[in-house]
This record gives sequence, structure tokens and C-alpha cells, in this order.
Amino acid sequence: DAKTTQPTSMDCAEGRAANLPCNHSTISGNEYVYWYRQIHSQGPQYIIHGLKNNETNEMASLIITEDRKSSTLILPHATLRDTAVYYCIVSSNFGNEKLTFGTGTRLTIIP
Amino acid sequence: GAGVSQSPSNKVTEKGKDVELRCDPISGHTALYWYRQRLGQGLEFLIYFQGNSAPDKSGLPSDRFSAERTGESVSTLTIQRTQQEDSAVYLCASSGMGLYRDYGYTFGSGTRLTVV
Repeated sequence: DAKTTQPTSMDCAEGRAANLPCNHSTISGNEYVYWYRQIHSQGPQYIIHGLKNNETNEMASLIITEDRKSSTLILPHATLRDTAVYYCIVSSNFGNEKLTFGTGTRLTIIP
Repeated sequence: GAGVSQSPSNKVTEKGKDVELRCDPISGHTALYWYRQRLGQGLEFLIYFQGNSAPDKSGLPSDRFSAERTGESVSTLTIQRTQQEDSAVYLCASSGMGLYRDYGYTFGSGTRLTVV
């Protein structure tokens, strides 16, 4: 019952910007968009989240469309260590809701 | 501690034995979650604790699985009469309310369970 749709896999050249899309056409007004990634053999790692404004932190940028039905995670200068599965999740951010992880996008950074 | 700690990191057990997995959440985090990840698969929700509220057990796959948490501290996930299909990485995460919640879940490194 994942509320998001992501491509199964993507490749990106090292040093280039990696743009990972996510569709969440049924998102509710009080739901945030969260991004996590899972590097092989590790637990998932929080990257960024947003409600409707674009967000940027030291790891990535998040661009959310005006209608909030889709978003894009941007890794500005991808490195080999960014190879991972990236999960896009919607959540109400009330601290009392479990996150449902879909299948994510397997991003491979090519040297 | 600085992060979510899980122990043991690896566990090999014989089919039919009981196992207990431990999770130490980040101090002050009121919510704690257990997930399971089979090899090559996505994360499967198991159970969720929030403060002193009744836990959400909707993801537990069978009555062989149970979990406890005392207050806002350590949690243990117990699997009785283990089966080979229980082999997976068991991941624990914690999150807080308010300020802490702004940073989403923090996951531990997981316990890799192998049932032989």
C-alpha cells in the first residue's frame, strides 16, 4: 500500500547531478515527503524531508512540485559512495505513524 | 548513546530455537520501530511503540513473534521456534516528537539472523 511510485533503477556518472523522481499523486495536505537511502548492508539513512517548499541540506536538495504530486531528490555532485537504494515516503510527521517503505530506486554511480 | 544500537550484530541459530534481539534507541526518542528485511527485499514493518501507548503490532507475521519495550528505553524482539523463513536482517529505528521528529527515523545497523 505504498503511496509513492519510483523508477526501479537509475545510473548516474560520477561527478554529475543525480535526479531521482518520485510520484505521490494521492498525498494529503498534512503529509510530508521524506527521502531515505540504504547503502548495501547498512540500515536506512535519513536524507531530507519537505512539505511544499523546496529544501536543501548538506546531503541533497528536494524539489516539490506546486501541486505536491511529485518531487525530485537531487544529489548535486554524485560520488561512488552515493550508490544505494533511495526510498521516497510520505508521512504525516506527527511522530506516531509508521513509515511504509516501497521498493525504492537503486541508484548506481558510474566511475 | 549517539545512535541506535542493536545486538547481536549477527546471530546463527538452529531451527526451532528461540532468539532474542535487542535494540537501544536514542535517548529521549519516544517512538521505536522494528522492521525486517529479507535478502534482496524491501523493509517490512513489524511493530511500533510510542511512549506508553499500546503498541501497533499489525506487522508481526505470526504469534511466534513478540516484542516488548519498557517505557522509552530498550526493546527486545523475540522469535520463538525459529524457522528458516525467519532468516533476515532485523532493523530497529527510533524517532522523537517535536525537534527530534524533524530528522525522521534513525536506524540501527541491524541484526542479521540466520536460521539453519
